[in-house]
Amino acid sequence: NAGVTQTPKFQVLKTGQSMTLQCAQDMNHEYMSWYRQDPGMGLRLIHYSVGAGITDQGEVPNGYNVSRSTTEDFPLRLLSAAPSQTSVYFCASRGQFNEQFFGPGTRLTVL
Amino acid sequence: KNQVEQSPQSLIILEGKNCTLQCNYTVSPFSNLRWYKQDTGRGPVSLTIMTFSENTKSNGRYTATLDADTKQSSLHITASQLSDSASYICVVHGQAGTALIFGKGTTLSVSS
Repeated sequence: NAGVTQTPKFQVLKTGQSMTLQCAQDMNHEYMSWYRQDPGMGLRLIHYSVGAGITDQGEVPNGYNVSRSTTEDFPLRLLSAAPSQTSVYFCASRGQFNEQFFGPGTRLTVL
Repeated sequence: KNQVEQSPQSLIILEGKNCTLQCNYTVSPFSNLRWYKQDTGRGPVSLTIMTFSENTKSNGRYTATLDADTKQSSLHITASQLSDSASYICVVHGQAGTALIFGKGTTLSVSS
């Protein structure tokens, strides 16, 4: 099993550009989520999905969109990048007893 | 408000020494608590889970404790190694339908 995979690992954007962060899991988990991690702030939930076709907002959803067309994939879209979105982004899927399986992360810089 | 507080924020110890990380929470009702280890540049990985009825659980050199009455948990690392240098994150889950509450983590540096 590859677990949770994320692409790209690093990305630099200019303000106003859009992009999609990819996330995939091969554990057949229904629950997936996106977090951002900033120094001194810990992990904060952006969006989550409890299954294909179902998504909902987390703590910091503004500026991000998600969709869930399959169980395996959960992409995160930045509509118009802003410097405040400079962060490390983690995708996770949830297994038994709420264990979160995290991807390796995407380090995003918005200039 | 549901919160998870971790202390200390950072810690530096010599290789071979022991250390204890603290996690206090106000999440109620409580379901379980997990400790995650996050190596630099990687995603967090679960070390151990504590449920309401458990007091102590070990995973190699890592021992987690839980006092559900005082809403406190600790992670004790024995005979530290350089590879223990990481951020340790405490995550609390309430009853079904509630979100996971993350602590901000403790950054541990083990030096030789």
